[in-house]
Amino acid sequence: KQEVTQIPAALSVPEGENLVLNCSFTDSAIYNLQWFRQDPGKGLTSLLLIQSSQREQTSGRLNASLDKSSGRSTLYIAASQPGDSATYLCAAAEETSGSRLTFGEGTQLTVNP
Amino acid sequence: KAGVTQTPRYLIKTRGQQVTLSCSPISGHRSVSWYQQTPGQGLQFLFEYFSETQRNKGNFPGRFSGRQFSNSRSEMNVSTLELGDSALYLCASSLNGNLFYGYTFGSGTRLTVV
Repeated sequence: KQEVTQIPAALSVPEGENLVLNCSFTDSAIYNLQWFRQDPGKGLTSLLLIQSSQREQTSGRLNASLDKSSGRSTLYIAASQPGDSATYLCAAAEETSGSRLTFGEGTQLTVNP
Repeated sequence: KAGVTQTPRYLIKTRGQQVTLSCSPISGHRSVSWYQQTPGQGLQFLFEYFSETQRNKGNFPGRFSGRQFSNSRSEMNVSTLELGDSALYLCASSLNGNLFYGYTFGSGTRLTVV
């Protein structure tokens, strides 16, 4: 059974700092991995999707990497802004389990002005 | 292009009642998945429908059921509500039900059972 863990659970940084969020998964047979952002009481906004054959994906100030062999993914946020404050979730999709996503518990990020 | 639409946004129900939640996927998306999010359990997979057929199911009791219509809209029903069913219910759609394209989530329905 796939298990996804995110470290740290919470992170508080000053504005402008570069930061890294970590995601680890126990079963390396993933199809892809998706990073989401969730604002309080809201739904999930997809940030980046990395296929199993890819090493990284970039969108603006965000960069996500994937290392299947070690069961890890990282989300790098450059030059953080207060508007980046949210909970960040990673989710692994396994082809063997059909279409379900297995989510981590999330990292709650606060960027202080 | 409209996103995934969930209605209603908020619901308050009494224990023992039943409730129906609705999800309209992005136009052209034929796969709809449902997730339950609670502070204690995080995001958990309920079920997935593709072309009106349930293709995958999570570990939830039979009180949780769903269906999908020919226009890909989906409904989720919870019968005999319990206090523990209070949660944010999220719906996600995917193009052709193919994992390759990832998932787009709606804003959710916040269900409170009193």
